[in-house]
Amino acid sequence: GENVEQHPSTLSVQEGDSAVIKCTYSDSASNYFPWYKQELGKRPQLIIDIRSNVGEKKDQRIAVTLNKTAKHFSLHITETQPEDSAVYFCASVGNTPLVFGKGTRLSVIA
Amino acid sequence: EAGVTQFPSHSVIEKGQTVTLRCDPISGHDNLYWYRRVMGKEIKFLLHFVKESKQDESGMPNNRFLAERTGGTYSTLKVQPAELEDSGVYFCASSRRTGGSRTPLHFGNGTRLTVT
Repeated sequence: GENVEQHPSTLSVQEGDSAVIKCTYSDSASNYFPWYKQELGKRPQLIIDIRSNVGEKKDQRIAVTLNKTAKHFSLHITETQPEDSAVYFCASVGNTPLVFGKGTRLSVIA
Repeated sequence: EAGVTQFPSHSVIEKGQTVTLRCDPISGHDNLYWYRRVMGKEIKFLLHFVKESKQDESGMPNNRFLAERTGGTYSTLKVQPAELEDSGVYFCASSRRTGGSRTPLHFGNGTRLTVT
């Protein structure tokens, strides 16, 4: 079945700096890659997603890139703010239901 | 629209007891999923309903877990008897029929289950 690896597990950045979270997947049939943000005590919420027919997608300060050949995708957050602090999960969908990475705890230090 | 709601938000039970978790998906969402996150680990898939039918239950850990979705509306997840390793946060999510897993999932706030 699908296996999603996510790195790093924790990440601390200064406010205003960029943050990058990387994920790899194993199932070449995977074709949908959402990213979820979970703030403390709250539900995971979709922040951006990308499908396999595109290589990059951007939404304001958030961007996701996908390299299907290498089977990896990344989340980029620019100009980080304290409210970006949360746990971020990557996920992939192919022939199996949504499979999540282990999460990255991002701390933005003011 | 109302979001996915889960009840209870927290549950503390003793080993050997029974607990039933409930999920009300967004109205009109045929797909309903149960996921579980054990502390510090990934959110793991448990099972998937399409309306009242179990589409995929490959993630259910063992026969102590029973999920139902009678009438294709709300769903329950029963753990009987509960073991220590069942502790974690149980999330429910729903999505529209079209696209199945390839459409955004809407998550509930989760039920934090603690087995002592």
